[in-house]
Amino acid sequence: DAKTTQPPSMDCAEGRAANLPCNHSTISGNEYVYWYRQIHSQGPQYIIHGLKNNETNEMASLIITEDRKSSTLILPHATLRDTAVYYCIVRVAQSSASKIIFGSGTRLSIRP
Amino acid sequence: DAGVIQSPRHEVTEMGQEVTLRCKPISGHDYLFWYRQTMMRGLELLIYFNNNVPIDDSGMPEDRFSAKMPNASFSTLKIQPSEPRDSAVYFCASSLSGGGEKLFFGSGTQLSVL
Repeated sequence: DAKTTQPPSMDCAEGRAANLPCNHSTISGNEYVYWYRQIHSQGPQYIIHGLKNNETNEMASLIITEDRKSSTLILPHATLRDTAVYYCIVRVAQSSASKIIFGSGTRLSIRP
Repeated sequence: DAGVIQSPRHEVTEMGQEVTLRCKPISGHDYLFWYRQTMMRGLELLIYFNNNVPIDDSGMPEDRFSAKMPNASFSTLKIQPSEPRDSAVYFCASSLSGGGEKLFFGSGTQLSVL
């Protein structure tokens, strides 16, 4: 699976949009981009995933560049409860050798 | 559905003792994963099962660790004998193939080996 690079930490004001970047320059054509987050003392939580089109759900939006070498997770109106570590993961979906490997992620702090 | 259920929530034991962690995946999920999390090493994948069969155990640190999945609704991770360096949070997760491969995690077991 392709390697990802994320900033170790970011902060954002409450109510503003939080934009979390992820670089995955070695991504292959059949690899998806997944985002998870981990709130303190809890297990990681799935947020969203996509292949090449932008995706949106009730939690966030995922913007993937046309060359697919980077992506941005957008939390449109950040709240204090969005304070967490956010993991960007690139992997082949529907694979029998399926492994989700978590990197170090981005620690997002939402300030009041 | 109650989600992935792990027990115990906390475990404190002494070095050399056997520790058994338990996991009940979400009903119908055919993949089950065991992860370990520490400050130093982050989230590490230990082993995962598909349809109760271990697929990849390359992350299991050593022979002291073993995992089983006797049926679709139950898995155990055993450490025997335990050592202080095994202290960590152990997470179990399950997923449904064909469901976008979203992992659903349990609340974890906080293990402290004294």
